[in-house]
Amino acid sequence: AIRMTQSPSSFSASIGDRVTITCRASQGISSYLAWYQQKPGKSPKLLVTAASTLQSGVPSRFSGSGSGTDFSLTISCLQSDDFATYYCQQYYDYPRTFGQGTRVEI
Amino acid sequence: QVQLRESGPGLVKTSETLSLTCNVSGGSLSSHYWSWIRQSPGGGLEWLGYIYYSGSTNYNPSFESRLTISLDTSKNQFSLKLSSVTAADTALYYCARGFSRLDYGMDVWGQGTTVTVSS
Repeated sequence: AIRMTQSPSSFSASIGDRVTITCRASQGISSYLAWYQQKPGKSPKLLVTAASTLQSGVPSRFSGSGSGTDFSLTISCLQSDDFATYYCQQYYDYPRTFGQGTRVEI
Repeated sequence: QVQLRESGPGLVKTSETLSLTCNVSGGSLSSHYWSWIRQSPGGGLEWLGYIYYSGSTNYNPSFESRLTISLDTSKNQFSLKLSSVTAADTALYYCARGFSRLDYGMDVWGQGTTVTVSS
């Protein structure tokens, strides 16, 4: 199975900060990568597909980049609503696998 | 607006079979992939498998020997059965729809149902 490794596992940030979360795949996955946001007690929400395509309704302060093995999710100006845990997921091969998550805290 | 809702027993005895159903409302099962994912108490997400509307399936090898996912188009729902459960199967179980009629990410999720395995 393809292993997805996110870094950092958690970090603290402030409103207005620019934050970047990274995700590394154990083998090349082209751009077959999705990002999700999960808030406490809620289901994951799909933010990005194809490594960089924002889902409809996702604020433009979110952006995704990368291909091959290294990917990132950037929030350009952190808002209070963005404090959550973020997961990457590869859909290049089966079984589908997720990163362990990155928790963004105040 | 498609909505998914999981249902099933919240408590299952060790060595028995865990059975969950995902009801799909606001849309049909047609032309989509339907997956089960679980989230351990520690927080990690684990993909269990999918069923396509045609009935074809793909299971995570880690569960393949004890996992069955099935469809009931008449009821617009799909189901999961996981046999020989242990405490390690205690988790929050989600059903989800594959994005854009493909299995390229999951764009609609249920609210999740907690399953505890205990003797």
